[in-house]
Amino acid sequence: DIQLTQSPSSMSASLGDRVSLTCQSSQGIGNYLSWYQHKPGKPPKPMIYYATNLADGVPSRFSGSRSGSDYSLTISSLESEDTAIYYCLQYDEYPYTFGAGTKLELK
Amino acid sequence: EVKLQQSGDELVRPGASVKISCKASGYTFTSYSMHWVKQRPGQGLEWIGAIIPIIDTTEYNQKFKGKATLTADKSSNTANMELSRLTSEDSAVYYCARSYGYTYDWFAYWGQGTLVTVSS
Repeated sequence: DIQLTQSPSSMSASLGDRVSLTCQSSQGIGNYLSWYQHKPGKPPKPMIYYATNLADGVPSRFSGSRSGSDYSLTISSLESEDTAIYYCLQYDEYPYTFGAGTKLELK
Repeated sequence: EVKLQQSGDELVRPGASVKISCKASGYTFTSYSMHWVKQRPGQGLEWIGAIIPIIDTTEYNQKFKGKATLTADKSSNTANMELSRLTSEDSAVYYCARSYGYTYDWFAYWGQGTLVTVSS
C-alpha cells in the first residue's frame, strides 16, 4: 500500500502567518493527491485536488503544490477559521490511503 | 445540488451487525463511485472501500475485508455498508463520500457521518 507521511503532526501559528503542511508519498502517485480540512463534528471538506487545484468555495489563500513525491498545502495568511486537522489522500491506486493528519492551531 | 444523507447514529451490541445507509440525491447515482471512510475517536481517517454502482464492482481495503460489505440499491439511490461481528474497535464515525468522477478520483462530496457505538 502507498504510505503518505504528513509533517508536522501538529503546529501552531499566528494570525496572518504563512503556513505550509507537507505530505510525502512512498511511491509515485503523479498528481493524484487531494487535501481535506476536518473540523470536529463535521465531515471533511475538500480543499485541493489533483495536487494543485482549488476545490469549489475554498478561499484563495489556500494553495497546493508538488515537488517530486512531496506535496504541500500552503495557507498564505492564516485566519482563525483555518484551525483544523488537515489530511492528504492519494487516489492513484487502491487501496486509497490517507496521511495521519496535521493539526493546525492558533498560537 | 448533490446531497448525501446518512442514516442515524447506532448503538449496537458486541458481536452484532449494523447497516449504515447513504442516500444520494442531485446527481445520477450510478455514474459515480461511492466510498466509505472510518474515523475512530481521536484517530485519523481510514479508507474502507468503494462501490461503483454502474458496474456493481467493489474495492476493499484488505483490512476491512470480512468486516465491511458494500452494496448499492439503484432503485432508491442508496449506498449501504454493513459491518459484521462488531467489537469495540468498530466504534467510530463512518462517512460516505462520492468521487468527483467515475472512479480513481478525489472525494468531492461527503455525508454528514454516522456514529456507531459498540457497547453492551
